[in-house]
Amino acid sequence: KAGVTQTPRYLIKTRGQQVTLSCSPISGHRSVSWYQQTPGQGLQFLFEYFSETQRNKGNFPGRFSGRQFSNSRSEMNVSTLELGDSALYLCASSGGSYDNSPLHFGNGTRLTVT
Amino acid sequence: QQQVKQSPQSLIVQKGGISIINCAYENTAFDYFPWYQQFPGKGPALLIAIRPDVSEKKEGRFTISFNKSAKQFSLHIMDSQPGDSATYFCAAKRPKDISNFGNEKLTFGTGTRLTIIP
Repeated sequence: KAGVTQTPRYLIKTRGQQVTLSCSPISGHRSVSWYQQTPGQGLQFLFEYFSETQRNKGNFPGRFSGRQFSNSRSEMNVSTLELGDSALYLCASSGGSYDNSPLHFGNGTRLTVT
Repeated sequence: QQQVKQSPQSLIVQKGGISIINCAYENTAFDYFPWYQQFPGKGPALLIAIRPDVSEKKEGRFTISFNKSAKQFSLHIMDSQPGDSATYFCAAKRPKDISNFGNEKLTFGTGTRLTIIP
């Protein structure tokens, strides 16, 4: 079974621009979560989608948004980029069952804002 | 507010030794505590997880010890090997609502960079 796939692996953007990151979950997984990883703050939860609906949202400004498609693929968008948005953005999928189905992470998209 | 505190930030252990990483949590509603291992250039991978109804869980060389009254849990890596060199994250999660079949968010510790030296 293929793992979680994130594209692109690397991105370089300029302040003020916007960016869209893509995530394909493991086949059959319906829950997709996004995390931001930085050296200073560690792994911070952004949001979670399940069956195209946002279930949870972390403490990030409205510039960070996401969506999930009917095939469970997800995209994350960051508008009006700031230097502090430079980070590794990780997508994780799970089966979404009632039990604690483990999160499976992709290898992330490294975003650099200059 | 950091709800899961992890220590140490970095750890150097000799090959064959025991690596110990500690975490403490504040929210007593947490009921699932996984540990993740992350290698450079890769995403975190689930290593082992525990629920608070048991005090210890062992999988191969990896053991989680859990102290519910102290709100602490730790990862022990026995017979540490150079291949164990990675960053380790503890995490915690609240129980799901019965009507919510999505995955609750994980609250992560700040990570421990483990280096195993020959």
